[in-house]
Amino acid sequence: QVQLQESGPGLVKPSETLSLTCTVSGGSISSYYWSWIRQPPGKGLEWIGYIYYSGSANYNPSLRSRVTISVDTSKNQFSLKLSSVTAADTAVYYCARHPHRSSAIDYWGQGTLVTVSS
Amino acid sequence: EIVLTQSPGTLSLSPGERATLSCRASQSVSSSYLAWYQQKPGQAPRLLLYDASSRATGIPDRFSGSGSGTDFTLTISRLEPEDFAVYYCHQYGSSPRTFGQGTKVEIK
Repeated sequence: QVQLQESGPGLVKPSETLSLTCTVSGGSISSYYWSWIRQPPGKGLEWIGYIYYSGSANYNPSLRSRVTISVDTSKNQFSLKLSSVTAADTAVYYCARHPHRSSAIDYWGQGTLVTVSS
Repeated sequence: EIVLTQSPGTLSLSPGERATLSCRASQSVSSSYLAWYQQKPGQAPRLLLYDASSRATGIPDRFSGSGSGTDFTLTISRLEPEDFAVYYCHQYGSSPRTFGQGTKVEIK
């Protein structure tokens, strides 16, 4: 059974960079696509972007200028960096898997709340 | 960007009743690449249906999906107590991937 676990700081200051890592266990990171999705408190879901295990990435245009997603196959991990954060970036951040570029997300991490505040 | 609009915002029903949730897309969803997720408080979304009508592993057959193009429907034939939750549709045929704003199914 594949499991995904997000990790990283729960509090980030405005204008700084949010950094999260997702560790994949119970399966290989290879041959799959890996996404980050976020959900502001009490609101809906927003797709941030995905990365393929080979390293090619695709980002939501609304966040593209501030987002970098990377992968480390040796550690079975992928990561999210979101720069110049504001209070609007406060959200639960989920990492997730989809088998193909155009396939439904089938596995999700439990999510981690990141609060942007001074 | 494909905008997904879900209706109604809230559905108040009793256990045993039928629930019909709608998801309308601002443009045609490629190859019916549309999924439905269930989310309970404090939990990650759970995949119910993909490709508009295919049930994910372990999902009971009271959940069914239909539709194509711009209009999609999730039907729960007889609501069980554990089905009261928020439901999201999600299109993954065009980039960026997008989600509907959710429909809350609450106990009447």
